[in-house]
Amino acid sequence: QQQVKQSPQSLIVQKGGISIINCAYENTAFDYFPWYQQFPGKGPALLIAIRPDVSEKKEGRFTISFNKSAKQFSLHIMDSQPGDSATYFCAVLEAGGSQGNLIFGKGTKLSVKP
Amino acid sequence: EAQVTQNPRYLITVTGKKLTVTCSQNMNHEYMSWYRQDPGLGLRQIYYSMNVEVTDKGDVPEGYKVSRKEKRNFPLILESPSPNQTSLYFCASSLTGWGGQPQHFGDGTRLSIL
Repeated sequence: QQQVKQSPQSLIVQKGGISIINCAYENTAFDYFPWYQQFPGKGPALLIAIRPDVSEKKEGRFTISFNKSAKQFSLHIMDSQPGDSATYFCAVLEAGGSQGNLIFGKGTKLSVKP
Repeated sequence: EAQVTQNPRYLITVTGKKLTVTCSQNMNHEYMSWYRQDPGLGLRQIYYSMNVEVTDKGDVPEGYKVSRKEKRNFPLILESPSPNQTSLYFCASSLTGWGGQPQHFGDGTRLSIL
């Protein structure tokens, strides 16, 4: 059973546009929602994360929007740049759970065209 | 420089020939884990370790072994590799295994089993 569903699988955006990647989950016990960014030939790296006590978190051009009632969270990349071209993974972790229980989405490959 | 180092980065080998992928971190992290990344399947956890001498199975442990004799090292062992273990492997570490901690990933090991 897929506990976190990520969409779209791939995304093409023009430079300067907004990129939006969505994740949906079922388990209401999840309480940590990170996004990881992976460039080709590199390992994933934590980009931004949110807890369910806030509905939005912004770091520079990257924003997580969190909708607890809908059990969805999304990553918004404002003013998308070619350097943002990467694969993005959402993840979820249950409250009190160990890192061993971190569950990743299947990833979204973002291409930002100049 | 804080990092997770994996070796080798690339390996082509044959079915049944035992191999070890090493992973070392220099951040004094308690938690370490191994993932495999396959197209369309995202990141799936193989094994993880909450601390020295403490290891546990992830989602896809079949065909793999691990050990954690020292804090900094967490090797992944394929005793009798098979073609379905052809994949991109990542080692990761975090300060502790509890709660939402950033995981630091190595740059990956691409294994091809013929």
